[in-house]
Amino acid sequence: EAGVVQSPRYKIIEKKQPVAFWCNPISGHNTLYWYRQNLGQGPELLIRYENEEAVDDSQLPKDRFSAERLKGVDSTLKIQPAELGDSAVYLCASSLDHLIGSGNTIYFGEGSWLTVV
Amino acid sequence: ELKVEQNPLFLSMQEGKNYTIYCNYSTTSDRLYWYRQDPGKSLESLFVLLSNGAVKQEGRLMASLDTKARLSTLHITAAVHDLSATYFCAVPNAGNNRKLIWGLGTSLAVNP
Repeated sequence: EAGVVQSPRYKIIEKKQPVAFWCNPISGHNTLYWYRQNLGQGPELLIRYENEEAVDDSQLPKDRFSAERLKGVDSTLKIQPAELGDSAVYLCASSLDHLIGSGNTIYFGEGSWLTVV
Repeated sequence: ELKVEQNPLFLSMQEGKNYTIYCNYSTTSDRLYWYRQDPGKSLESLFVLLSNGAVKQEGRLMASLDTKARLSTLHITAAVHDLSATYFCAVPNAGNNRKLIWGLGTSLAVNP
C-alpha cells in the first residue's frame, strides 16, 4: 500500500516568490494534516482537514499561506510570497480520522524541503 | 497550555549498552505517541500508548506510560547502530481539537 506521497521533495526559491506543495494521502484516510518542521524541532501543525473541510487552521499564517483539499483527497499548500523564515520541511500526514482518542496513528510523508534564499 | 519535554536531547551511546529516553508532559493526557525520524526521512510511528501502565515492545525498544506521573519512557536494550535516529514523543492536548503537541526530539547516535 502506498504511503503519503508529497512533491516536490526539494525546492529552492528566492524570497518573495510563490511556492506550492502537493500531497496525496493514504487511500481512505479522511483526515489530512500539514505540518512544518524546523531543524532541531518537532513538527508544528499548520492545518488539519476532515475530508474537504479545514477544521483547525489556527496556526496557519493566513496572510501568506493558503491550503486547499478539493474533493477531500489531494491537498496543496501554497506560500505567497515566501520569506526567508519559511525555510523548513513541510510535512503532509494522514489518518483514518481524527479520533485521536481511539489511538489512530498519523502517517507522515517524506516532506518537502524548502529553502528560501 | 500543554508542554512536552524530552531528555536527553542528544545521546551518544555504544553498541550493546542500555539507555532510557524520558518524555514529560505538563497537563493531564491519557495517551502518548512515539515516533522515529531518520535524517532526511519521514516520521515513522513506533508506539501508541493508550492507558496508564501501558507497556509496548518492539525489538530492542520498549515504551511505557505513567499518566499519573505524566511520564513516558523509551528504553533501548543492547543498542545497535541501526537505532541511530531522532525519537519524538507527542501528546494530544485536551479539548475538541486534540492537537498533538510534540517534544523537541532526542537525537540518538549509536557508535560501534
